[in-house]
Amino acid sequence: ETGVTQSPTHLIKTRGQQVTLRCSSQSGHNTVSWYQQALGQGPQFIFQYYREEENGRGNFPPRFSGLQFPNYSSELNVNALELDDSALYLCASSRTGGGNTIYFGEGSWLTVV
Amino acid sequence: AQSVTQPDIHITVSEGASLELRCNYSYGATPYLFWYVQSPGQGLQLLLKYFSGDTLVQGIKGFEAEFKRSQSSFNLRKPSVHWSDAAEYFCAVGPNYGQNFVFGPGTRLSVLP
Repeated sequence: ETGVTQSPTHLIKTRGQQVTLRCSSQSGHNTVSWYQQALGQGPQFIFQYYREEENGRGNFPPRFSGLQFPNYSSELNVNALELDDSALYLCASSRTGGGNTIYFGEGSWLTVV
Repeated sequence: AQSVTQPDIHITVSEGASLELRCNYSYGATPYLFWYVQSPGQGLQLLLKYFSGDTLVQGIKGFEAEFKRSQSSFNLRKPSVHWSDAAEYFCAVGPNYGQNFVFGPGTRLSVLP
């Protein structure tokens, strides 16, 4: 049990639509990040939020955006969905001074048709 | 460039046999190294981590890993594999601050009865 919960677990969207994925981390975890894991591949870093500000981003276009809230929850938003966006989206969190160990949620499976 | 390679895509071992999963990394700074395990349809569970100190680290479920700076390697080992160890294993390297980890492509472990 990592204390990181994600919703929804599965969803199907149509190309061109927008999607919002949600994550709730445990108290004290003030850093959250999102990863994309395509089928058969390792996770890829999308971005990181610390104290409600984005402070790190991987090689993903601006249509991938996020929010972090004061209650340790966060969102990943993807606009103009493409077929290649089909993947498992993982939320991870960590606390300051935690030895930089990140804890993952179970993920949200997104299928774009 | 930061990268992680896991040379073995798929490994099959018999239950009770020993196991070694290989991981090599390329990282510009002092690496923080991790091994995660992922069961089908699940998120990532941390097995062990290396930050500094003793180069042989112990993790959960009887796993251990050895950091070899000269070989840029962080191989995962287990002396006796159990059927429940069948899963996907990911090696990752990260900074001393932040969650922008770089993951390898994973090694799928199958266990024969």
